[in-house]
Amino acid sequence: EIVMTQSPATLSVSPGERATLSCRASQSVSSKLAWYQQKPGQAPRLLIYGASTRATGIPVRFSGSGSGTEFTLTISSLQSEDFAVYYCQQYNNWPAGTFGQGTKVEIK
Amino acid sequence: QLQLQESGPRLVKPSETLSLTCTVSGGSISSSSYYWGWMRQPPGKGLEWIGTIYYGGNTGSTYYHPSLKSRVTMSVDTSKNQFSLNLSSVTAADTAVYYCASPDQSDTLDVWGQGTTVTVSS
Repeated sequence: EIVMTQSPATLSVSPGERATLSCRASQSVSSKLAWYQQKPGQAPRLLIYGASTRATGIPVRFSGSGSGTEFTLTISSLQSEDFAVYYCQQYNNWPAGTFGQGTKVEIK
Repeated sequence: QLQLQESGPRLVKPSETLSLTCTVSGGSISSSSYYWGWMRQPPGKGLEWIGTIYYGGNTGSTYYHPSLKSRVTMSVDTSKNQFSLNLSSVTAADTAVYYCASPDQSDTLDVWGQGTTVTVSS
């Protein structure tokens, strides 16, 4: 099983600042990497797929990069609605997939 | 636009079978995404993929998480536009929010149900 490791576990950021979240795969997943945002009591929301393609309706301040085993989600200027937990998911062996343990982005 | 909605018992006794249904609206289960998946999230923890059923050409193929494979069954009911999850011999460790999800406009899970909380307790 491919293991996904996210860092940091918690990221404290002030509104308007840039946030950078990392995700590492235990083996190459090519570009089959997605990022999800989850707020309390809600289902996950797809932000990025294919490592760098924004899903429909996702603001341009969200961007993804990376390939192979190292990936990054960047939020260029944090808005109040962006404080949430973010998960990466590899789907290189689709339809199977494994998620990272999540990064919580909190208000500094 | 594809929408999904989970339903089923919220409380299941230990050793019994957890059964959930996901109703698909905004598309036909036999002509839309073809891949229909289940995920779960234990209280305060991260997401876990349970399995996926592929349905196309009136046949289905299933893919299950290796650690759950012996207890999971998934199926599709085209007459009701639903797909289902059965998880047998449940324990307290199966207590979680269960989500159904599917690809619609991407190559991964971009449509999710709202989730349903299932508690395993006597």
